Amino acid sequence: GENVEQHPSTLSVQEGDSAVIKCTYSDSASNYFPWYKQELGKRPQLIIDIRSNVGEKKDQRIAVTLNKTAKHFSLHITETQPEDSAVYFCAAINYGQNFVFGPGTRLSVLP
Amino acid sequence: NAGVMQNPRHLVRRRGQEARLRCSPMKGHSHVYWYRQLPEEGLKFMVYLQKENIIDESGMPKERFSAEFPKEGPSILRIQQVVRGDSAAYFCASSPNGGDTEAFFGQGTRLTVV
Repeated sequence: GENVEQHPSTLSVQEGDSAVIKCTYSDSASNYFPWYKQELGKRPQLIIDIRSNVGEKKDQRIAVTLNKTAKHFSLHITETQPEDSAVYFCAAINYGQNFVFGPGTRLSVLP
Repeated sequence: NAGVMQNPRHLVRRRGQEARLRCSPMKGHSHVYWYRQLPEEGLKFMVYLQKENIIDESGMPKERFSAEFPKEGPSILRIQQVVRGDSAAYFCASSPNGGDTEAFFGQGTRLTVV
């Protein structure tokens, strides 16, 4: 089955700096790669996703890149703000299979 | 369109009792996933169900745990003879077509075993 690794496990950045979180996956058949943000005590919520036929996607301060050959994808957050502080989870999905999440990255944005 | 509804939000059970956690997916969604989350930890996959079928239960302990998603009504995760180690947040998520679109999460059920 799919196995997703995620680095780093914790990340602290100064407000206004950029943050990058990287994930690798094992199943080359995976074709959907969402990123979820979970604030303390709340449910995970999708912030951006990418499909295997696309190499990069951007939504305001958030971007995701995908390298299918190397089987890794990354989340980029620019101009970080205190409200970006949360735990971020990546996932890799092959159609018809369950959502396999990475172990999470705790991002702290320091004022 | 109401979101994914889980109930109860909080559940307290004594050791040895049964816990039933309910998940009503979003309208039009026929795929449900259950996850367990311990404090400060990640989302551990438990079971993936489609209406009336278990697709993947590889993450669910074989003893004391069961799940169903009947043709009518919510998906239910059942934990028999609960132990302290079952205390966690249990999240369900639903999607319309099983894997290449967003899965929406419910607010979770926080189970405390005393």
